[in-house]
Amino acid sequence: AQSVTQLDSQVPVFEEAPVELRCNYSSSVSVYLFWYVQYPNQGLQLLLKYLSGSTLVKGINGFEAEFNKSQTSFHLRKPSVHICDTAEYFCAVLPNAGKSTFGDGTTLTVKP
Amino acid sequence: ETGVTQTPRHLVMGMTNKKSLKCEQHLGHNAMYWYKQSAKKPLELMFVYNFKEQTENNSVPSRFSPECPNSSHLFLHLHTLQPEDSALYLCASSHVTQGTNYGYTFGSGTRLTVV
Repeated sequence: AQSVTQLDSQVPVFEEAPVELRCNYSSSVSVYLFWYVQYPNQGLQLLLKYLSGSTLVKGINGFEAEFNKSQTSFHLRKPSVHICDTAEYFCAVLPNAGKSTFGDGTTLTVKP
Repeated sequence: ETGVTQTPRHLVMGMTNKKSLKCEQHLGHNAMYWYKQSAKKPLELMFVYNFKEQTENNSVPSRFSPECPNSSHLFLHLHTLQPEDSALYLCASSHVTQGTNYGYTFGSGTRLTVV
C-alpha cells in the first residue's frame, strides 16, 4: 500500500514570485510519481512525471520537480508564477503494478 | 484536448431519472477508470477496467453501473441517484504492459447535479 501527503492545502503567492508545492509519499515498493494540475471545471492535466533516470524532471508551463528517494519527496517548483497558474495541483504515486494514489490537492492562488 | 473525451460536460438530473455518462479514448490505452471528485474531498476511484474486464469496484453503490464494451469506450449508467451524488465525474485511461502502468490521461469530466 502507498500513501501521498501534500503538506499544504493552500498556497497563496504573489505574481512573479517562486513557489514550491510539497509532496511526500510512502510506499513499500518502487513507484512512479506524477503531478497534475486542475483548472476550474476541468479534468486533471499531467504536468510532469518521474519514471526513472534523472531525478530533476521538467514539465509543462515552466514547472519542475525533484525526486528525492531518501526523503521520499517529490516537490513541485516554479521560479516565477503567473496569474494563470492559479489552480489545484495534485501529486500522485503509482506503484509498479498497481493503481494510483492521489494526494488531497494543493490550491495555488497567485495574486497580482 | 487530452485524447480522452467525456460527454456530456454538464448534466442535471432528477432522482428518478436514468442517464449515462460516456467516455472515449483513442490513445491506444488498454485500461480505463471512473473517478468521482466531490467538493472538499479527495479523488475517489470508482471502477477500473483492464482490457474491457472490470478489475475493481471500490464499494460503489449499485445505482452506478459501469459498462466497457471495448477498450476505447467506457460508460457510467446512472439511476435513482441521490443529491449527494452530485460531483465531477472523471474518466481516465492508461497503458498497462507487463504489469506496469505508465500513468493516467484524464478527460475534462462531467459535472453532475442531482436535484
